[in-house]
Amino acid sequence: DTGVSQNPRHKITKRGQNVTFRCDPISEHNRLYWYRQTLGQGPEFLTYFQNEAQLEKSRLLSDRFSAERPKGSFSTLEIQRTEQGDSAMYLCASRRTGGVTGELFFGEGSRLTVL
Amino acid sequence: GESVGLHLPTLSVQEGDNSIINCAYSNSASDYFIWYKQESGKGPQFIIDIRSNMDKRQGQRVTVLLNKTVKHLSLQIAATQPGDSAVYFCAENGAGANSKLTFGKGITLSVRP
Repeated sequence: DTGVSQNPRHKITKRGQNVTFRCDPISEHNRLYWYRQTLGQGPEFLTYFQNEAQLEKSRLLSDRFSAERPKGSFSTLEIQRTEQGDSAMYLCASRRTGGVTGELFFGEGSRLTVL
Repeated sequence: GESVGLHLPTLSVQEGDNSIINCAYSNSASDYFIWYKQESGKGPQFIIDIRSNMDKRQGQRVTVLLNKTVKHLSLQIAATQPGDSAVYFCAENGAGANSKLTFGKGITLSVRP
């Protein structure tokens, strides 16, 4: 257990519905990342926060995706009007400034299945 | 474009043997190269990283080698154990300490008893 908590662990939804995932990072970590992973592939970067500021977004993050980290602690990732292509594992990771550069602490992920 | 990739999709080794997992990268500007391990049902777990100005770094039972001439990264695991069975990913950090990680495709390591 890395200390990064994600909820829900599994979500099955119908196409067109909205879903929201929550991530609680390690408490002293000011940096938070969202990644998406499909079967057999490495995680793909979606977005990154430093404290409450969203500093970078991937072009993978269409306008149906929105992420927030309102108080610089937990974060939410919302997908609106879900499509079957959104089915994937959504991973959250965190680290602190000054930590080992390449070391992200990942949660166990939220698996989304869009029917 | 930038990419990080692995040569082989699977690797099967005998318990107790050494394992070598290889990776190619294309972004010469990367500052750090990292190896992650992902067990079934879990998120990726950091193993070891190496800075671009180094060519070798050792950890506990693991060694990472970086060959910038041919843009090649490898992970050596000594005395492979059943608990090493997992999917391994190489990743690069781009230029600058704040950069996101770009992961390659995974390679599955299977340890035979």
